[in-house]
Amino acid sequence: SQTIHQWPATLVQPVGSPLSLECTVEGTSNPNLYWYRQAAGRGLQLLFYSVGIGQISSEVPQNLSASRPQDRQFILSSKKLLLSDSGFYLCAWSVYGTTDTQYFGPGTRLTVL
Amino acid sequence: AQSVTQLDSHVSVSEGTPVLLRCNYSSSYSPSLFWYVQHPNKGLQLLLKYTSAATLVKGINGFEAEFKKSETSFHLTKPSAHMSDAAEYFCVVSDRPAGGGADGLTFGKGTHLIIQP
Repeated sequence: SQTIHQWPATLVQPVGSPLSLECTVEGTSNPNLYWYRQAAGRGLQLLFYSVGIGQISSEVPQNLSASRPQDRQFILSSKKLLLSDSGFYLCAWSVYGTTDTQYFGPGTRLTVL
Repeated sequence: AQSVTQLDSHVSVSEGTPVLLRCNYSSSYSPSLFWYVQHPNKGLQLLLKYTSAATLVKGINGFEAEFKKSETSFHLTKPSAHMSDAAEYFCVVSDRPAGGGADGLTFGKGTHLIIQP
C-alpha cells in the first residue's frame, strides 16, 4: 500500500531564516506530487505541483520554491522566511496522469516568529 | 470553470443525531466529487468519492453522500453522529482536464462539524 511522509511535523523559525520541508511517497511510482498551504481559518491553497523529476509548476507567485530531486521526493524551500509564510503545509500525491483522488500527508505546522 | 460552495461554515449537532453537511458545485464537464475530513493538525483523509457510477456513495466511518445532478449538490450525511466525527470537512470537485496539470481540483472552504455531548 502507498504511504506519504512529511517532516518535520512542527517547525518554529525566525523571520529571514531558510526553510526546507520534505515529503516522500512509498509504494507507488511516478506519482503527481503537490504542495498546499492552509492558513488559519482559510481553505487550501495549491502552491506547487510536479508531474515528474525536475518538473515543477507554480500556482502562486511567492517567497517559496519547490524541487523534485527524486521520483518520490518533493521538497519545499525558502531562502528567507516571512511572517506570512506561517501555516500548515500539506503534501499530496495522485496517480500519474490524473488529477483525481489526491492522498495527503500528515502535514507540517510552520510558525514564523 | 468549476466551483464548489459549502453552504455552512459551522454545523453543530448532538451526539447520536443525524449529520448533514451541504455542498453545491458547478462544473463544465462531468465532475468527480470528493469529501475529505481533517482532524486538528492532521492531514486530509478521503471519506468518499463519486465518479459517475452509483449516485449514492458510501464512505468510511458510516458517511455517505448523494450526487444530485439536477440540484448540482453533493451533500454529506451520517445517520448518527459520534464524538470522533468532530473535525473539518472539505467538499472537492474535479473537472477532469485533458492535461496532466493539477488545476483540476477545486476545494470548498470547509465546514467545521461540532458534536455536542
